[in-house]
Amino acid sequence: GIQVEQSPPDLILQEGANSTLRCNFSDSVNNLQWFHQNPWGQLINLFYIPSGTKQNGRLSATTVATERYSLLYISSSQTTDSGVYFCAVTIYNQGGKLIFGQGTELSVKP
Amino acid sequence: EPEVTQTPSHQVTQMGQEVILRCVPISNHLYFYWYRQILGQKVEFLVSFYNNEISEKSEIFDDQFSVERPDGSNFTLKIRSTKLEDSAMYFCASMRGRQGSEQYFGPGTRLTVT
Repeated sequence: GIQVEQSPPDLILQEGANSTLRCNFSDSVNNLQWFHQNPWGQLINLFYIPSGTKQNGRLSATTVATERYSLLYISSSQTTDSGVYFCAVTIYNQGGKLIFGQGTELSVKP
Repeated sequence: EPEVTQTPSHQVTQMGQEVILRCVPISNHLYFYWYRQILGQKVEFLVSFYNNEISEKSEIFDDQFSVERPDGSNFTLKIRSTKLEDSAMYFCASMRGRQGSEQYFGPGTRLTVT
């Protein structure tokens, strides 16, 4: 089956720093979503980005579907950005289920 | 903005008991999903539901699990006889249309089996 790999697994930043999280996938996808899991366990939908680039405030994401990767950029990080970031993909003709990566655990220190 | 809701937010149950987790998907959505996340692990697909029947299920979704859409709004996951290893966060998601569309997740139900 498809492999979804996220890197790095853990990241510690000082408040105000920028970061890039990566998601590699091993097959063609027709959906890619980025989530932030908050301390209460809720999955917050950050981006729906099967291809192209999107920005939302300090966050932006780029998916290069032909090269099978996506990047999530966090600029001027804040302590509230801490948590686990997941990417998830669906592949063609596979019923629409999302396949999640293992996540990147981000810790932003004041 | 419409959202997916789930109840309860946290349920504690004893091993062997039946539990029903409830979800209200977004009203004009057609595809419904349940996912599970064991503490500290990644989110895993359990089952998808479309046109009033299961369209796909994972190997986790054994005979102890069932899903139902009893009316036009609710979508439920039943675990018939809970085990300790069923302790996890359960997420419901819904999607409006064609495969590859955005999936919207509920806030989750944390199930603790003692």
